[in-house]
Amino acid sequence: QVQLVQSGAEVKKPGASVKVSCKASGYTFNDYDINWVRQATGQGLEWMGWMNPNSGNTDFAQKFQGRVTLTTNTSIGTAYMELSSLRSEDTAVYYCARAVIVGGTTIDYWGQGTRVTVSS
Amino acid sequence: SYELTQPPSLSVSPGQTASITCSGDKLGNKYASWYQQKPGQSPLLVIYQDTKRPSGIPERFSGSNSGNTAILTIRGTQALDDADYYCQAWDSSTAVFGTGTKVTVL
Repeated sequence: QVQLVQSGAEVKKPGASVKVSCKASGYTFNDYDINWVRQATGQGLEWMGWMNPNSGNTDFAQKFQGRVTLTTNTSIGTAYMELSSLRSEDTAVYYCARAVIVGGTTIDYWGQGTRVTVSS
Repeated sequence: SYELTQPPSLSVSPGQTASITCSGDKLGNKYASWYQQKPGQSPLLVIYQDTKRPSGIPERFSGSNSGNTAILTIRGTQALDDADYYCQAWDSSTAVFGTGTKVTVL
């Protein structure tokens, strides 16, 4: 079955960077985009960007342009999201999620989430 | 930037029908997906491409999308449907999530 397993919780200081991993299993990693979505406590879902592991193509929400880096290691079926210049407003749960493109694009499976806390 | 607006909350009695709206400019020209999220859990896809249900999602969940509004309908609502619901659509190659609706079954 499709699984996306994310790395553990992180605590970072303002100005630092965080890198979250997302290991995929149960499907052919290269055939599906990986999206990243975050959710602050008590708030809604906020889309950050996606990456295609096969082509390396990416796209980002304008808000995160220049501050988010998405990468993949196709040999181990793992995607990474690095967010730099952290501030307190970046405290949130970060999710990776797979997207399938059949007809339209659908985000179908989600990781369990990684809590990132930014605090001095 | 593109926006999707949902009512913040909705209350429904067990066994009744809940209809959650999602409004956006010419949303009917895009595909809408819907996600259910319970406290402490990851979102779960319940409707995609406006009307399709993933395997394992009960038939009481259905969707429609026309004009500027997509609707998620839950018929015969059960206590376990108590959750937050988010619509989502793609604007060009960027994803947009709705503001979310808290559905309370009581």
